[in-house]
Amino acid sequence: DAGVIQSPRHEVTEMGQEVTLRCKPISGHNSLFWYRQTMMRGLELLIYFNNNVPIDDSGMPEDRFSAKMPNASFSTLKIQPSEPRDSAVYFCASSDSGGLGEAFFGQGTRLTVV
Amino acid sequence: QKEVEQNSGPLSVPEGAIASLNCTYSDRGSQSFFWYRQYSGKSPELIMFIYSNGDKEDGRFTAQLNKASQYVSLLIRDSQPSDSATYLCAVRQGGKLIFGQGTELSVKP
Repeated sequence: DAGVIQSPRHEVTEMGQEVTLRCKPISGHNSLFWYRQTMMRGLELLIYFNNNVPIDDSGMPEDRFSAKMPNASFSTLKIQPSEPRDSAVYFCASSDSGGLGEAFFGQGTRLTVV
Repeated sequence: QKEVEQNSGPLSVPEGAIASLNCTYSDRGSQSFFWYRQYSGKSPELIMFIYSNGDKEDGRFTAQLNKASQYVSLLIRDSQPSDSATYLCAVRQGGKLIFGQGTELSVKP
């Protein structure tokens, strides 16, 4: 398996623009996580899905952020409108069923909002 | 109180020494525990997991879990410069996977 695949790897956008980050989890994994990592706040869980259903989105910072998982092989994280304080590395991770399994990370998307 | 807390670091050890990394968690219902290593500019990679009280060894790495004290640790024996990285403790709480802030480890030749 190719592992968790994220795109794009780097994104530079202007404040106010819409940004969409994409993730393809490992085939067969039914849990998917979106994280944001900054120096100040570390690795924060934004939202996680189980069997394509959002289970906990309490980490989503505000209404500007939204996430979808239309099928088992694809998820998006959208920021609209983007702000400079959204600049961070966004990671997607997936794990298998059972609730105890380890999560495997994608390479991340480095987002810069200017 | 943060859900998962780690030593703030940075932790510096000489090559060949034992590095000890610590983590505490707040939710007594937590079920499984993980250590990830993250090199600068890279994504976290899993190095150890532990589910039961006691020790678990894998090569130079030993994970220790004490559920009564809500404490997890990672020992790295014979530390090498290539072990220099940030080590992240992660805890499964239901379906959620929560990470600590990480401890930066520097192994000096």
